[in-house]
Amino acid sequence: EAQVTQNPRYLITVTGKKLTVTCSQNMNHEYMSWYRQDPGLGLRQIYYSMNVEVTDKGDVPEGYKVSRKEKRNFPLILESPSPNQTSLYFCASRPSIGPTETQYFGPGTRLLVL
Amino acid sequence: AQSVSQHNHHVILSEAASLELGCNYSYGGTVNLFWYVQYPGQHLQLLLKYFSGDPLVKGIKGFEAEFIKSKFSFNLRKPSVQWSDTAEYFCAVNAGDSSYKLIFGSGTRLLVRP
Repeated sequence: EAQVTQNPRYLITVTGKKLTVTCSQNMNHEYMSWYRQDPGLGLRQIYYSMNVEVTDKGDVPEGYKVSRKEKRNFPLILESPSPNQTSLYFCASRPSIGPTETQYFGPGTRLLVL
Repeated sequence: AQSVSQHNHHVILSEAASLELGCNYSYGGTVNLFWYVQYPGQHLQLLLKYFSGDPLVKGIKGFEAEFIKSKFSFNLRKPSVQWSDTAEYFCAVNAGDSSYKLIFGSGTRLLVRP
């Protein structure tokens, strides 16, 4: 089944404890991105990647890192999480950067930083 | 900067009522427009999209949207809602020289009462 998977789905952590949220897609998509969803703010892009080893900042990149060593994986790293990073995170992918392509979303990771 | 506005943050309807959710964007050039839906506890999925041709676009589950270029709008409609349409709806646009980047509105929460 074609899908985007994320792990973990739920995570509670403490301030400063490094964490990684994994994202994987099995559709051979070139473009992947991370969003955070906060009430009243919709989805805001954190980072995106147009292909392997090509990543760039989105609208809210502060406090996050990403890597794209393989086409299928795009992990999101929080080196030193803070409470303002408590949010719902979505990974997404699409076949290419073509503007009419449909974006496919993962199930989301709900993060609570204490 | 490009932006997407969804003015109705919460909408409550009874079953069989008609639905129209507003979406306005700020960009004067060529745009590609999307509506995504997020059912409770689920990930976002595409309802419909417009990139060219007939400005009235039909999507899944009886939804449609009309692109009105002169009004910079892409409103979502459904003639008769069902309880199962309870969800959050997001309008999104990619435009101009950042055509790979999808910009989301803040979302509209729809509650349909049985």
